[in-house]
Amino acid sequence: DVKVTQSSRYLVKRTGEKVFLECVQDMDHENMFWYRQDPGLGLRLIYFSYDVKMKEKGDIPEGYSVSREKKERFSLILESASTNQTSMYLCASVLAGLTDTQYFGPGTRLTVL
Amino acid sequence: GQQLNQSPQSMFIQEGEDVSMNCTSSSIFNTWLWYKQEPGEGPVLLIALYKAGELTSNGRLTAQFGITRKDSFLNISASIPSDVGIYFCAGRRDNAGNMLTFGGGTRLMVKP
Repeated sequence: DVKVTQSSRYLVKRTGEKVFLECVQDMDHENMFWYRQDPGLGLRLIYFSYDVKMKEKGDIPEGYSVSREKKERFSLILESASTNQTSMYLCASVLAGLTDTQYFGPGTRLTVL
Repeated sequence: GQQLNQSPQSMFIQEGEDVSMNCTSSSIFNTWLWYKQEPGEGPVLLIALYKAGELTSNGRLTAQFGITRKDSFLNISASIPSDVGIYFCAGRRDNAGNMLTFGGGTRLMVKP
């Protein structure tokens, strides 16, 4: 069965801390994505990766970076967390090519105090 | 980046009622998708539409790909309590690979 897991369901951090959000998929998918979800704004793409060590900026990359050292793992990094980064973060993966079924993880709700 | 305009933002309905929601864009998409997110979970794909004018059903759900390729509609018939969740539309352009543009979501609440 398809599975995308995220390292934490809930996370509380302080302003200025470095934060790592981890995502792992077991489907050998090439493409992986990080979104943030805010009420009324839907899902907005932060970064995506189409292969190991490859990354592309999405619509709202400011304040974030990513790392993809292995195919199954895609990490989102907040170098210096700020309160406006309090949000739900969703990871997704999909096979390369025109496959529309993005498989999502359960999300990490991050609160920055 | 561009967002899709999804409405309504929220709906509170009685069990058994039909539900309609829609998504509009100022530009064309080649694929329209509808996802459902249940509380505490990530979104799950419900219906995918690939052709303008296409009407596709999945149980009590019916979705349509607008003829102009700038809109899509989702209908849920005879709602039940487990329909509760947030419904998202998403569009994809052929030149965008697997990148999707999402609507703001419609939060559906069903009163038994």
